[in-house]
Amino acid sequence: GENVEQHPSTLSVQEGDSAVIKCTYSDSASNYFPWYKQELGKGPQLIIDIRSNVGEKKDQRIAVTLNKTAKHFSLHITETQPEDSAVYFCAASFNDYKLSFGAGTTVTVRA
Amino acid sequence: DSGVTQTPKHLITATGQRVTLRCSPRSGDLSVYWYQQSLDQGLQFLIQYYNGEERAKGNILERFSAQQFPDLHSELNLSSLELGDSALYFCASSAYGQGARETQYFGPGTRLLVL
Repeated sequence: GENVEQHPSTLSVQEGDSAVIKCTYSDSASNYFPWYKQELGKGPQLIIDIRSNVGEKKDQRIAVTLNKTAKHFSLHITETQPEDSAVYFCAASFNDYKLSFGAGTTVTVRA
Repeated sequence: DSGVTQTPKHLITATGQRVTLRCSPRSGDLSVYWYQQSLDQGLQFLIQYYNGEERAKGNILERFSAQQFPDLHSELNLSSLELGDSALYFCASSAYGQGARETQYFGPGTRLLVL
């Protein structure tokens, strides 16, 4: 099955700086890569996703890049704000009914 | 708010017992997914239902079972509970059960504590 590795496990950034989280996947056939944000006491919320026919996607301060050759994808958050503090999960799937998740990154934005 | 509801929010029970977790998908969504989130295993897919039928199975133990009813709500039954079953259980829903082709929306979860 698909194996997704996520780094770093924790990330502390100064407010206004950028945060980058990286994930690698094992199944070269994977073609869907969503990112979820989980706040304390809540379920994961989709924040952005990318499909394998696209190399980069942006939504305001959030961007995701995909390198299919290297089998890795990254989440970039620019101009971080305190409300960006949360646990972020990457996931990968190949036209499958299940998402394989990374272990998560706890992001803390220092005011 | 994702529109997916789960009950109960918290559940405390003893080893060997059986519990039922309930999920109502977003209005109009036909598919329900169950996930387990634990500290050591992370977020793991358990099982998916589409319009009442089982569509995909993940790392679901034989002691666990699920079903989706005609009104599309779903229940996850956990029996012969062990300490290691303590975790957050999430339900997600999507419109057509097309897996990776569509967005899954997660509920707030049920926190299960087995003592």
